[in-house]
Amino acid sequence: AAGVIQSPRHLIKEKRETATLKCYPIPRHDTVYWYQQGPGQDPQFLISFYEKMQSDKGSIPDRFSAQQFSDYHSELNMSSLELGDSALYFCASSPNVGRLTPYNEQFFGPGTRLTVL
Amino acid sequence: AQTVTQSQPEMSVQEAETVTLSCTYDTSESDYYLFWYKQPPSRQMILVIRQEAYKQQNATENRFSVNFQKAAKSFSLKISDSQLGDAAMYFCAYKGRRDDKIIFGKGTRLHILP
Repeated sequence: AAGVIQSPRHLIKEKRETATLKCYPIPRHDTVYWYQQGPGQDPQFLISFYEKMQSDKGSIPDRFSAQQFSDYHSELNMSSLELGDSALYFCASSPNVGRLTPYNEQFFGPGTRLTVL
Repeated sequence: AQTVTQSQPEMSVQEAETVTLSCTYDTSESDYYLFWYKQPPSRQMILVIRQEAYKQQNATENRFSVNFQKAAKSFSLKISDSQLGDAAMYFCAYKGRRDDKIIFGKGTRLHILP
């Protein structure tokens, strides 16, 4: 079965540089979620999109922005990178079964490991 | 605000034995979901089991089962017949019914002793 695709899988950047992480959801999934997992930490929710509109927002720094495109893929843009941004960034997607159905499972991608030097 | 607490940073169990991982949570909501996720060394997040708060029956998935105590806000995971492949970090997690975000606990690292 198709899974969530994230690219790149690994990324190394210098401080103050910019990074763009991409997420391709499972086909027919219209909602994407971004999470950040620092070293030895639990994942923290950053932001989510439903039908190309921002749906929910968590602890996402102002230096970060994200969007969802017409083909439902999403990009997380990170500017003025700091050492503390080094983390594993997960994208998850959930299926188009209606927003008010009891449960939409979030299927996680393999993550992008970002290292800021 | 909702919180998830895992009080056991690390646990060890002998292969083929049973182990229970503890989790407590705090919420004022009545409709929510609870999860246990497994994160092996590959760092992939794998959903192990899910519990709907409105269901009194404890969820089970093969060797994995939960003990859901809604009044006590407790949600423990029992792994029976532990296998070497069960070695991983286990996260307890919460999601409000109408929320997008999943809130994770700090995790419990499970070691399986051969």
